[in-house]
Amino acid sequence: SAVISQKPSRDICQRGTSLTIQCQVDSQVTMMFWYRQQPGQSLTLIATANQGSEATYESGFVIDKFPISRPNLTFSTLTVSNMSPEDSSIYLCSVEPPMSTEAFFGQGTRLTVV
Amino acid sequence: DQQVKQNSPSLSVQEGRISILNCDYTNSMFDYFLWYKKYPAEGPTFLISISSIKDKNEDGRFTVFLNKSAKHLSLHIVPSQPGDSAVYFCAATFSAGGTSYGKLTFGQGTILTVHP
Repeated sequence: SAVISQKPSRDICQRGTSLTIQCQVDSQVTMMFWYRQQPGQSLTLIATANQGSEATYESGFVIDKFPISRPNLTFSTLTVSNMSPEDSSIYLCSVEPPMSTEAFFGQGTRLTVV
Repeated sequence: DQQVKQNSPSLSVQEGRISILNCDYTNSMFDYFLWYKKYPAEGPTFLISISSIKDKNEDGRFTVFLNKSAKHLSLHIVPSQPGDSAVYFCAATFSAGGTSYGKLTFGQGTILTVHP
């Protein structure tokens, strides 16, 4: 298993600004993932972040809007850039520990853009 | 294109009875399926999974059934308890060839309410 800590847990931001969300894991993991859950919707994968390489983005998500850092095997950040009210969502960090057949999630960051 | 669908937004069940949550998928490449439970203000927590080589997997009160020909899976909770009240998400992935188990396609979720 893995224990994941996300910061901040929630924030209210002005449109046009950026917010960086941090994800810290209690063990080394190769693969980390960032998901978004828009109000009333399912979780949607934004990107896969592997240490030492550029993040891989899913269709509909671009690096300029959601830059990701993965400086080591226990930490990652997701930045939501130039925010608009449409970016109001829950953002979740997820990891796949070695030899595991399931992913573990952080508690999420509830973002409201006003 | 919603590749994983949970057509029931909500389900209400009496304590002690069976809860059945359903999930359909369209992508025949999916070969590994998971159920997650989510409480408000928390991240999803893993509940149970099933590989496409099986048609049933049990873990205590939770059983997942997979019907590959119908592209349908269901989660049975017996007996249901008030603490089971949460949002349940069905998820799917491609596990073959070393693809990550963490790269998941989720359904919309079903809100389960278990009444005492």
